[in-house]
Amino acid sequence: SQTIHQWPATLVQPVGSPLSLECTVEGTSNPNLYWYRQAAGRGLQLLFYSVGIGQISSEVPQNLSASRPQDRQFILSSKKLLLSDSGFYLCAWSDRGLVYEQYFGPGTRLTVT
Amino acid sequence: GEDVEQSLFLSVREGDSSVINCTYTDSSSTYLYWYKQEPGAGLQLLTYIFSNMDMKQDQRLTVLLNKKDKHLSLRIADTQTGDSAIYFCAESLRSSASKIIFGSGTRLSIRP
Repeated sequence: SQTIHQWPATLVQPVGSPLSLECTVEGTSNPNLYWYRQAAGRGLQLLFYSVGIGQISSEVPQNLSASRPQDRQFILSSKKLLLSDSGFYLCAWSDRGLVYEQYFGPGTRLTVT
Repeated sequence: GEDVEQSLFLSVREGDSSVINCTYTDSSSTYLYWYKQEPGAGLQLLTYIFSNMDMKQDQRLTVLLNKKDKHLSLRIADTQTGDSAIYFCAESLRSSASKIIFGSGTRLSIRP
């Protein structure tokens, strides 16, 4: 069966510090991968998605970036965090042929102080 | 444009039916979904409906789609305390099958 992992589960970082959140998927090959952000009391905002290694589509211009160094690994990064980067970050995957079903990881709660 | 809207809160008595509503703007939707998010957790796909269907039933869940009005609803029969969560409506578009557009979520609370 497929599983999706995210770490860390929680993170408190000062403004201006770098960020690296990791997401890995097990039990599937060539998945589509997604990063979402959920701000407090708000819906999901799609940040990035990837259909293959090194292929990243950015949905919202901001100080975040994403990379996919391996087939089942998706990384969200920032060089300098802003207060507005605080939120709940969710990684998701879907099969290539079944993009209508996305499966979410447990999320990382980021607080920028 | 792409927009999915939901009311933010719904309070229901335990044992009653819950009806969560959603409207969307893009008529090229291919699939429409309902996801559930429990506190502090990721999202779980509850059910989905293809855009050429009017209704889908799965145990206590009934999804109704009015394509003319671009209106989607989720009915939960015999609502239980374990149904307390945020419910997200979402759509995927013919123009971009790789991404799903989510609504802001409806927080369902159950009162005894």
